[in-house]
Amino acid sequence: SQTIHQWPATLVQPVGSPLSLECTVEGTSNPNLYWYRQAAGRGLQLLFYSVGIGQISSEVPQNLSASRPQDRQFILSSKKLLLSDSGFYLCAWSPGNYNEKLFFGSGTQLSVL
Amino acid sequence: AQSVTQLGSHVSVSEGALVLLRCNYSSSVPPYLFWYVQYPNQGLQLLLKYTSAATLVKGINGFEAEFKKSETSFHLTKPSAHMSDAAEYFCAVSDQNQFYFGTGTSLTVIP
Repeated sequence: SQTIHQWPATLVQPVGSPLSLECTVEGTSNPNLYWYRQAAGRGLQLLFYSVGIGQISSEVPQNLSASRPQDRQFILSSKKLLLSDSGFYLCAWSPGNYNEKLFFGSGTQLSVL
Repeated sequence: AQSVTQLGSHVSVSEGALVLLRCNYSSSVPPYLFWYVQYPNQGLQLLLKYTSAATLVKGINGFEAEFKKSETSFHLTKPSAHMSDAAEYFCAVSDQNQFYFGTGTSLTVIP
């Protein structure tokens, strides 16, 4: 069966520090991968999605970037965090070429102080 | 692009009462539609999905939703609310490579 792992679960970082959140999927190949952000009391904002290695689409211009170095690995990064980067970050995957399923990781609560 | 509208950011019901969470979508073709539930500090869990089969879709935990093309709606219902149903609920639609989410409805169950 397929599983998605996302870590860390909680992260507290000072303003100006770098960020690296990692997400891996097991039990499938060539998944579509997604990063969402959920600010307190708001819905899900799609940040990045990827349909293959090295293929990243950005939905919102911002202080963040994403990379997909391997088929089932998706990384969210920042060189210098801002206070506004605080939020709950969710990684998700769906079967390639097939959008009738979307599975989420357990999320990372990021607090930038 | 697709969009989803969830009417009511907060809904309160008494334990045992009917739960009705509203969702309307915009789509020019029959979409895939989903309802997800999110408990505090957790990821989203799929409740049910519509993929152009039966218009009445049954999901987990006693929830169901009805796809009404004429109304472009996909409302979520449960006949009798339980305390454990208190959570955030998201409606979503997908096309091509993207999923579009509503802003969520927070359900409170009053004992």
